[in-house]
Amino acid sequence: DTGVSQNPRHKITKRGQNVTFRCDPISEHNRLYWYRQTLGQGPEFLTYFQNEAQLEKSRLLSDRFSAERPKGSFSTLEIQRTEQGDSAMYLCASSLVRSSGANVLTFGAGSRLTVL
Amino acid sequence: KQEVTQIPAALSVPEGENLVLNCSFTDSAIYNLQWFRQDPGKGLTSLLLIQSSQREQTSGRLNASLDKSSGRSTLYIAASQPGDSATYLCAVSYASGGSYIPTFGRGTSLIVHP
Repeated sequence: DTGVSQNPRHKITKRGQNVTFRCDPISEHNRLYWYRQTLGQGPEFLTYFQNEAQLEKSRLLSDRFSAERPKGSFSTLEIQRTEQGDSAMYLCASSLVRSSGANVLTFGAGSRLTVL
Repeated sequence: KQEVTQIPAALSVPEGENLVLNCSFTDSAIYNLQWFRQDPGKGLTSLLLIQSSQREQTSGRLNASLDKSSGRSTLYIAASQPGDSATYLCAVSYASGGSYIPTFGRGTSLIVHP
């Protein structure tokens, strides 16, 4: 297992276009998180999945954003009608939540979105 | 809303110094706290995780402590090296309804110069 994989690494798009990012988590992990990070800020939570169920969404996730995790495997994050304010690094992380409480997140390298 | 604050925002030190990074949080009922390292333009790498029942964790030259009553954690880096230059982020998780969603601070940008 090579860790969490994210594609594409960098996407440049024009305002108003749709973009989709993909995240492949560590195979045995049951949790998958999406975060957004802008320059000089810490990652901000967007949404997370427990297996295939999307259990929580941040208020940051407007109705232009949608995330899926079919069959509890890879996940996609789609942004429709992109705006310049969507320019950011989109980070995916996965974890295995244990009964002991350990929940160590493993992050991917991120997908950087630039909206012109 | 839980808030996580990291001080200082930036730090520049000469190689060999021991240094302390600080993380404070508003709600002391945490589930765990995690320290990450982020290199420019890259994802995050987990350094240490401290469970709420623990006081500290150590890995090599890194030592993280947790004081829930005061809402603070510190990351101690011994004998700093230029390769330690990166942004260090702390993330606090709460057990709200079993969600355990980590909330991040803004990070401390560290430069270790030779």
